[in-house]
Amino acid sequence: EPEVTQTPSHQVTQMGQEVILRCVPISNHLYFYWYRQILGQKVEFLVSFYNNEISEKSEIFDDQFSVERPDGSNFTLKIRSTKLEDSAMYFCASSSLSVNYGYTFGSGTRLTVV
Amino acid sequence: DQQVKQNSPSLSVQEGRISILNCDYTNSMFDYFLWYKKYPAEGPTFLISISSIKDKNEDGRFTVFLNKSAKHLSLHIVPSQPGDSAVYFCAASAGSGGGADGLTFGKGTHLIIQP
Repeated sequence: EPEVTQTPSHQVTQMGQEVILRCVPISNHLYFYWYRQILGQKVEFLVSFYNNEISEKSEIFDDQFSVERPDGSNFTLKIRSTKLEDSAMYFCASSSLSVNYGYTFGSGTRLTVV
Repeated sequence: DQQVKQNSPSLSVQEGRISILNCDYTNSMFDYFLWYKKYPAEGPTFLISISSIKDKNEDGRFTVFLNKSAKHLSLHIVPSQPGDSAVYFCAASAGSGGGADGLTFGKGTHLIIQP
């Protein structure tokens, strides 16, 4: 069964450093997403991406965040200057056409900012 | 601002019985609802969805019921099996199921199936 692959599974970074989280969505999917889950809290929407541009973003997705699809297969989330409160599990997801089929989520990257 | 609420952090059910997971929402613009299941160290897995034009959707052991007037939905699992032990998330969308929509998730309910 096709899956969404995320790397690395765990990233530790110092406060103020830039991090790039990587995702390989399912190949024939058209929509790509990033979500995060701070420990003990709910899964929160960050951004959706379609046709090489951002479709929708939440209030969390401020200027410190950016997304890119650099080569037609990878989908990345960059955090420019990490803060302690960016520590969370970050999930990438992809979907074919519409949300009623549900997304396919990756296993997540645990980001720890120290 | 909790637009999607799952008020039971955990639920324990005997194997073979029915599990009922509840979810309430406040945003009347939500028109699509989904349930996800999550095991530790894995991403959420889509289970079942329902459009606001329906009040019931069934897929095997899983049935989702929607009561729009009460802004309430529930997931029924029958019969419950040990492999159903996981965290269940309710999620909602306000874009008629369009692909760009972000989902609003509840905090999840940890379902424990007792042997």
